[in-house]
Amino acid sequence: EIVLTQSPGTLSLSPGERATLSCGASRSISSSSLAWYQQKPGQAPRLLIYGASSRATGIPDRFSGSGSETDFTLTISRLEPEDFAVYYCQHFDNSIWTFGQGTKVEIK
Amino acid sequence: QVTLNESGPTLVKPTQTLTLTCTYSGFSLITYGVSVGWIRQPPGKALEWLALIYWDDDKRYNPSLRSRLTISKDTSRNQVVLTMTNMDPVDTATYYCAHRRSTTERSFDSWGQGTLVTVSS
Repeated sequence: EIVLTQSPGTLSLSPGERATLSCGASRSISSSSLAWYQQKPGQAPRLLIYGASSRATGIPDRFSGSGSETDFTLTISRLEPEDFAVYYCQHFDNSIWTFGQGTKVEIK
Repeated sequence: QVTLNESGPTLVKPTQTLTLTCTYSGFSLITYGVSVGWIRQPPGKALEWLALIYWDDDKRYNPSLRSRLTISKDTSRNQVVLTMTNMDPVDTATYYCAHRRSTTERSFDSWGQGTLVTVSS
């Protein structure tokens, strides 16, 4: 089973700054199987990125995903106040979904 | 517009069986490729996938919980049901159901708002 490790655990930034979140896989995975979600307090997760780099419907272009094999990145180019939240990466393989432990992006 | 809504008990006792219902709209679970999954999240912790059911009634389970889970669907009522046996306090979590639009999609594009289940005597 693939283990996803997200870093850092918490990212303290100011609005307007760039956020770079990492997701590492325990072994090489297909980029098509990697997704990112955003979760705000008291809300359900929202799909941001699928296939490692494709934005889901309605997601602003300040969100971008990249990476391959074992190293994947979610970048928020300029943080807006509504972007402060927890972000999860997710992998799918062989009919099993696994999630990382999350990165919290908080206001500095 | 895809919507999902979870319902069920908010409190269950240890060893009891939990039954949760996901009522959906905006899609059909008899359409080729469509599926609905269940994911849970203990308070302050990460997401954990539990189970998924396909349009053709094929089912998938998290191997670590497989012996305790059953997923089923009633397409006439637009509902997906998850049962989990032998509940324990560590199963306290918010339980979400989520839509997956096709077999080529490897993520969940729409989620319900979740229902918090507490396991306590």
